[in-house]
Amino acid sequence: DTEVTQTPKHLVMGMTNKKSLKCEQHMGHRAMYWYKQKAKKPPELMFVYSYEKLSINESVPSRFSPECPNSSLLNLHLHALQPEDSALYLCASSQVGLGGGRNNEQFFGPGTRLTVL
Amino acid sequence: QKEVEQDPGPLSVPEGAIVSLNCTYSNSAFQYFMWYRQYSRKGPELLMYTYSSGNKEDGRFTAQVDKSSKYISLFIRDSQPSDSATYLCAMSLTGANSKLTFGKGITLSVRP
Repeated sequence: DTEVTQTPKHLVMGMTNKKSLKCEQHMGHRAMYWYKQKAKKPPELMFVYSYEKLSINESVPSRFSPECPNSSLLNLHLHALQPEDSALYLCASSQVGLGGGRNNEQFFGPGTRLTVL
Repeated sequence: QKEVEQDPGPLSVPEGAIVSLNCTYSNSAFQYFMWYRQYSRKGPELLMYTYSSGNKEDGRFTAQVDKSSKYISLFIRDSQPSDSATYLCAMSLTGANSKLTFGKGITLSVRP
């Protein structure tokens, strides 16, 4: 299994809603990532989990709250989002944590397209 | 100057053409160089992964890295309509906590 799966594919939420994005991989990877991608822009790194511990938070607002329940699962909890948070949210995984080298190849999921009204 | 510059495009070529996609970078410490392909409304897919300078070939795709010029290229031979996508270059340092730094991406359209 060489896939990263993400649910839901699409999500529409109001600014007062609480929702969660889910990501799963069964490749035995020990690093997982959340990226945000706006239209016609490259992905922007948000969070990195390495061995189930948060290792990088790219100064992301607290309305985004990541969680890594186990080595295969990654969640992103959303609360009180703004319309400018509408974007494609991508999950990725790699064999080991960030550190260069072949094992840093990041495999991306299909993303969740989020719209905040 | 941005760390990674990529020709903005878009680029439109006829089927069968040779395509050359390029990125330049300013940080000479980058050691690992990648090309991702992203179809519309999908996640990026890793196409090529190269360490340091040199060439790497995989089917119709060739990646070149010239560290002395801080320049990387992706060549696509015999381009097909199915190659129509956005291509992102990315690079990383070596060592712990090396993040991917992406170019802006270029959208390629291969006309039948």
